[in-house]
Amino acid sequence: DAGVIQSPRHEVTEMGQEVTLRCKPISGHDYLFWYRQTMMRGLELLIYFNNNVPIDDSGMPEDRFSAKMPNASFSTLKIQPSEPRDSAVYFCASRWTGGATGELFFGEGSRLTVL
Amino acid sequence: GQQVMQIPQYQHVQEGEDFTTYCNSSTTLSNIQWYKQRPGGHPVFLIQLVKSGEVKKQKRLTFQFGEAKKNSSLHITATQTTDVGTYFCAGRNQGGKLIFGQGTELSVKP
Repeated sequence: DAGVIQSPRHEVTEMGQEVTLRCKPISGHDYLFWYRQTMMRGLELLIYFNNNVPIDDSGMPEDRFSAKMPNASFSTLKIQPSEPRDSAVYFCASRWTGGATGELFFGEGSRLTVL
Repeated sequence: GQQVMQIPQYQHVQEGEDFTTYCNSSTTLSNIQWYKQRPGGHPVFLIQLVKSGEVKKQKRLTFQFGEAKKNSSLHITATQTTDVGTYFCAGRNQGGKLIFGQGTELSVKP
């Protein structure tokens, strides 16, 4: 089975540009999470969805960040305008409520560099 | 806010030595999960502990959950180069939110 699929794997952009990161969760999973990982701050939860509905976006840094989940198989994280401090690896993860352990399945991440 | 503290931040060991990472929460957890992230990779689930005082083993890895459900540890016996990576604990609070520790980066010298 395919795991969580993220795109792009790498993105280099200039400050001020719009960045859109994409995620396809594992089919049947009802939770989707967006995390950001940096050396300084570790793994930070940005936002998560349950059944396509945003539940907690308290981790979203500021209004420049937005996330959507238009259907059960697709989510986007958008940064507009991007800044150098947004450089990080962004992970998408999904899980299924009915699973025995509630484990998160992470995608391979999108490495963002903002120049 | 609630924090999950993990120590040490880095650990360098000689192959064959043991390794332990510790995780402490400021509040009681409903369960705790452990993940491993290889260099350049993504976090991969290892195990979940639920019960007070629970101990689980996976080959050379031993996981413990404290009696008060506020701390946990991961112990690796006789490390191998394949154990290299960052180990994260993630505690689930009473509200259901999963909070990751900062991780312990393990390097193993052959």
